[in-house]
Amino acid sequence: DIQMTQSPSSLSASVGDRVTITCRASQTISDWLAWYQQKPGKAPKLLIYKASSLESGVPSRFSGSGSGTEFTLTISSLQPDDFATYYCQQYNMYSVTFGQGTKVEIK
Amino acid sequence: DVQLVESGGGLVQPGGSLRLSCAASGFTFSSYAMSWVRQAPGKGLEWVSGITGNGHSTYYADSVKGRFTISRDNSKNTLFLQMDSLRAKDTALYYCAKGDDYNPPCFDYWAQGTLVTVSS
Repeated sequence: DIQMTQSPSSLSASVGDRVTITCRASQTISDWLAWYQQKPGKAPKLLIYKASSLESGVPSRFSGSGSGTEFTLTISSLQPDDFATYYCQQYNMYSVTFGQGTKVEIK
Repeated sequence: DVQLVESGGGLVQPGGSLRLSCAASGFTFSSYAMSWVRQAPGKGLEWVSGITGNGHSTYYADSVKGRFTISRDNSKNTLFLQMDSLRAKDTALYYCAKGDDYNPPCFDYWAQGTLVTVSS
């Protein structure tokens, strides 16, 4: 199985900060990479698909980049609603796999 | 609007069985791959199983292979997960998720989750 490693595991940031989360794949996955946001007690929400495509309805402060094995999720100006846990997911092949998550907390 | 509504979770003893259902509406169910994803208490997301739109191909995580069976009834717009030989480690919130246009997919809609607790 392809292993997905996110960094950092958690971070503290303030409203208005630029936040970057990294996801590394154990082998190349082209651009078959998605990002999700999950809030406590809620199902995950798709933010980014195919590494850099913004899902409909997702604010433009979210962006994704990368290909091959290295990917990033950037929040350009952190908003109060963005404090949550973020997961990457590879869908290059079955078994699809998720990163371990990055918790974004309020500083 | 897309809606996914799960049922069938509950408390079961180790070695027991449980069948989860996910009723779908708001999209052409037979056109999309579907998956089950679980989340153990306080832990991350783990993909469990997937099935193509026509039901002809199924996929499983190694952790459930041989114990879980995914299926779908496209005439009733319903996805199923038959879980046998359940273990304590299978305790989790189980999500039904709709795939996007690709296979394997990413997941553009998720159900609310149904809790499965395996305990004596």
